[in-house]
Parts: sequence; structure tokens; C-alpha cells
Amino acid sequence: EAQVTQNPRYLITVTGKKLTVTCSQNMNHEYMSWYRQDPGLGLRQIYYSMNVEVTDKGDVPEGYKVSRKEKRNFPLILESPSPNQTSLYFCASSPRQGGGQPQHFGDGTRLSIL
Amino acid sequence: AQKITQTQPGMFVQEKEAVTLDCTYDTSDPSYGLFWYKQPSSGEMIFLIYQGSYDQQNATEGRYSLNFQKARKSANLVISASQLGDSAMYFCAMRPNFGNEKLTFGTGTRLTIIP
Repeated sequence: EAQVTQNPRYLITVTGKKLTVTCSQNMNHEYMSWYRQDPGLGLRQIYYSMNVEVTDKGDVPEGYKVSRKEKRNFPLILESPSPNQTSLYFCASSPRQGGGQPQHFGDGTRLSIL
Repeated sequence: AQKITQTQPGMFVQEKEAVTLDCTYDTSDPSYGLFWYKQPSSGEMIFLIYQGSYDQQNATEGRYSLNFQKARKSANLVISASQLGDSAMYFCAMRPNFGNEKLTFGTGTRLTIIP
């Protein structure tokens, strides 16, 4: 089954404790992206990757890091989480220049930073 | 820069009626795609329908259709014969066909279907 898998689905942690949210896709997509969703703001892009070893900042990259060592994986790293990073996070993937191909989303990760 | 505007924060519709969710957009990209996603209370993002900027005909997918008016920069979603399971948050989004193919989202419309 074609899917984007995120882990964990839920996490409650404390300020300053490094965490990683994993994302893996099995569709051989070149493009992958992280979004965060906050009430009243829709989804905003954090980082994206157009292919292996190619990553770039989105609209709200502060406080986050990513890596793309393999095509299927695109982890999101919070080196020193803060309460303003409490949010619902989505990983998505799609073919490059996919035209009508939609971005496939993972089921989301709900992070609470205390 | 791209911008999506959804002016209806919430809507209530009687079951079996049709409903139109409004979406207007702004972009300087010559080639782009417009998407609608549904987010039920469980949280996942479900793709509903796509419209390309050069498509001559409005897109349809089952009970979903997209009323695309390029000159007015609008891409409204029409759901026919609404069902209780249609109750969810609905997001309009757009994506350029080149460069960073990020989706730019609107703030969403919460649709509630009344039995």
C-alpha cells in the first residue's frame, strides 16, 4: 500500500530535550516536505527536499533541522524544542513536477512541548 | 508569493443538500495546480480533487466538483448530496508546477452536516 508513515503519532516532552520525528514513504517520490498546522493558520511549510541530499527552508524553518540521506526518509529534528513548537506536524511526498499528482500526507504527529 | 483565501470559517448544511466552499487565490506563477483536502476529526489529510491552471474543464470526482474561474481567481469546491461523513475541515491549496512545489494552504472551512 502506498503510504507516508510518521512516528510517533503523539509525543509530550519538555523544553530543551532533543527529539526526532521520522517520516518514510514507499512511493519512490523525489519531493518531500514538512508542514506544521496551527489553529487559524492552515498548514505552513517548514522544510522541503527535492531529492536526496537536497534540502531547503520553507516558510517557518526556525528551530528545526532536516536531513535527506535516503530517498524514502526525511526526518524532522528539533534540537532544543520550545513551547511555541507545540503543533500538529505533517510529512508529505509527491513526484517532482507531478502536475496533477497530489502530495500524499502522513497521518500527522501531535507534539506538545511543556 | 502565493496566497489562498477561504472566507467561511464554518458552515452548517442540511444532509442531502449541496454545499459550496469558497476559495480564492493569488499567484504570479503562470502554471499551477489547485487542490482540495479534507481533514476529519481524526486529523489525517485526505486529497479530494485537483484542477490544473490550464485545464479547460472543471474537475469532478464523484460527489466533488471544482468550480474553477481563472479570471476571478476562484476555485470553489462543490459537494453534492452531502452526507454526515462529510463533516470535516476542508482546505484549499495551490502549488506551482516549478521550483519549490510547496502547497500553500488557506485557513480552512469547518463543514458540519446536520441530520
